[in-house]
Amino acid sequence: KQEVTQIPAALSVPEGENLVLNCSFTDSAIYNLQWFRQDPGKGLTSLLLIQSSQREQTSGRLNASLDKSSGRSTLYIAASQPGDSATYLCAASNAGNMLTFGGGTRLMVKP
Amino acid sequence: GAGVSQSPSNKVTEKGKDVELRCDPISGHTALYWYRQSLGQGLEFLIYFQGNSAPDKSGLPSDRFSAERTGGSVSTLTIQRTQQEDSAVYLCASSPGQGGKLFFGSGTQLSVL
Repeated sequence: KQEVTQIPAALSVPEGENLVLNCSFTDSAIYNLQWFRQDPGKGLTSLLLIQSSQREQTSGRLNASLDKSSGRSTLYIAASQPGDSATYLCAASNAGNMLTFGGGTRLMVKP
Repeated sequence: GAGVSQSPSNKVTEKGKDVELRCDPISGHTALYWYRQSLGQGLEFLIYFQGNSAPDKSGLPSDRFSAERTGGSVSTLTIQRTQQEDSAVYLCASSPGQGGKLFFGSGTQLSVL
């Protein structure tokens, strides 16, 4: 059974800092890995999807990497802004198209 | 539609009553998922549909939970004889197909008194 862990559970940084969120998974036989953002009281917004054959994906200030052999993914946020404050979730997709989510990292970017 | 639509956005019910939650996926999306998010908890997988069939029902917490999808589009999640531990946000997501990006609705906040 796939297990996904995210570290740290919470993070507070001053505006402008570059930061890294970590995601680890136990079953490396994944189809893809996705990063989502969740704002309080809202649904999830997909940020980046990395296929199992890819090593990274970039969108604006966001860069996600994937290392299947070590069971790890990272989400790098450059030049953080207060608007980046949210909970960030990673999810690994395995056979049967089931996504297993991590517990999330609550990010606070202070002005 | 423009996005995944869920209704109602909020539902308050009494213990023992039945509830139905509705999900309208993005038009043309063949895959549909239901997840549950309890307060302070992560997302718990409930069920996945590919078209109208549900190859994986393993996540449904008990036989009080059921789900169906008709016409490859709208899905309803039914909870019978609700219990207080059923209180959570129920999230629906759709995807163009297997392995594709998921698009989530805003969820239904269910409160069982």
